[in-house]
Amino acid sequence: GQNIDQPTEMTATEGAIVQINCTYQTSGFNGLFWYQQHAGEAPTFLSYNVLDGLEEKGRFSSFLSRSKGYSYLLLKELQMKDSASYLCAPMDSNYQLIWGAGTKLIIKP
Amino acid sequence: IAGITQAPTSQILAAGRRMTLRCTQDMRHNAMYWYRQDLGLGLRLIHYSNTAGTTGKGEVPDGYSVSRANTDDFPLTLASAVPSQTSVYFCATSDRGNSPLHFGNGTRLTVT
Repeated sequence: GQNIDQPTEMTATEGAIVQINCTYQTSGFNGLFWYQQHAGEAPTFLSYNVLDGLEEKGRFSSFLSRSKGYSYLLLKELQMKDSASYLCAPMDSNYQLIWGAGTKLIIKP
Repeated sequence: IAGITQAPTSQILAAGRRMTLRCTQDMRHNAMYWYRQDLGLGLRLIHYSNTAGTTGKGEVPDGYSVSRANTDDFPLTLASAVPSQTSVYFCATSDRGNSPLHFGNGTRLTVT
């Protein structure tokens, strides 16, 4: 079957670094997306990885290991506005996204 | 401003009533999707359309129908609403197979 595993909730301090892990199993693989979703709002695209390695985009970086079925999202210099849910979504061989329940990140001052 | 427009923003509906959620895009994306999002669960795909004139069933299609008469519009119809269809509904689009999804602002539907 296809499934995603992410922590349900994480807490971090403003200015710190946090890593949100995601493990997945899919039928085929066409890349993995990370989305950010603030409470009461729609998800917004953060990053896409299709090859192994690290993709850096400002304060956010995303890593992929296809052989391990593993990805992480790294958030640096945390700001209060980073409080949100982070959704890991691999894409299967039919180009359909598989969604987990997401990780709720709470930032404390 | 380019984007996706969903209507209504929210709705309270009596069980048994028929309801159409509207979704319109102006980005000329080929693919469109309807998802529902419930507390503690991931986004679940209801129906999708890879291009105008075609539709497909997602993970949870029962009780819902869609049509794709043109590129821009992708309405979702609940023929006879039931309380388990209480959810937040998101319409999304993408340009091609592995492009990121763009989401509308969602419709919060409550079926009583």
